[in-house]
Amino acid sequence: EPEVTQTPSHQVTQMGQEVILRCVPISNHLYFYWYRQILGQKVEFLVSFYNNEISEKSEIFDDQFSVERPDGSNFTLKIRSTKLEDSAMYFCASLTEIQETQYFGPGTRLLVL
Amino acid sequence: AQSVAQPEDQVNVAEGNPLTVKCTYSVSGNPYLFWYVQYPNRGLQFLLKYITGDNLVKGSYGFEAEFNKSQTSFHLKKPSALVSDSALYFCAVSRGGRRALTFGSGTRLQVQP
Repeated sequence: EPEVTQTPSHQVTQMGQEVILRCVPISNHLYFYWYRQILGQKVEFLVSFYNNEISEKSEIFDDQFSVERPDGSNFTLKIRSTKLEDSAMYFCASLTEIQETQYFGPGTRLLVL
Repeated sequence: AQSVAQPEDQVNVAEGNPLTVKCTYSVSGNPYLFWYVQYPNRGLQFLLKYITGDNLVKGSYGFEAEFNKSQTSFHLKKPSALVSDSALYFCAVSRGGRRALTFGSGTRLQVQP
């Protein structure tokens, strides 16, 4: 069964460094999402992406964040200058127009020191 | 703004007994409602959804959920719990199939042998 994959599974970085989290959505999906879950807190929506454009974003998704689909398979989330409070599990999700269900990847655990 | 409440942090049930995990929501317009399950060190796995139609929806692993518009609830149920059902369960709502999901805080289900 097709799955959303994410790399790396864990990343440790220093405050102020740039990180890129990578996702490979399910191959025929057209809509892509990033969510995050700070330890012990709710899963929070960051951004959605369709047709090479951001279609929706939350207040969390400020100028420090950007998303890109650099090729036909990858979907990336970049954090330009990480802060301690960016430490979280980051989930990628994708969706087909027909099913209207978001399927999630296993997540990347980001730790900012 | 849309929101989801899961009033129980943890639900304990004996194996073989029925289980209910509660969820209430608030959203403008017709809700798209979802249940996801998270096992340790895994991503969010889709269980079931309600978009329209019958108020009782059936999903994976024998789970079902009942949509109640007047009570704005979407409780997750299973007639007979298994130890392997022990996990973290999230209810989520959106305003449309491709829109951002808003998650509840999660309910930890513990099924005792």
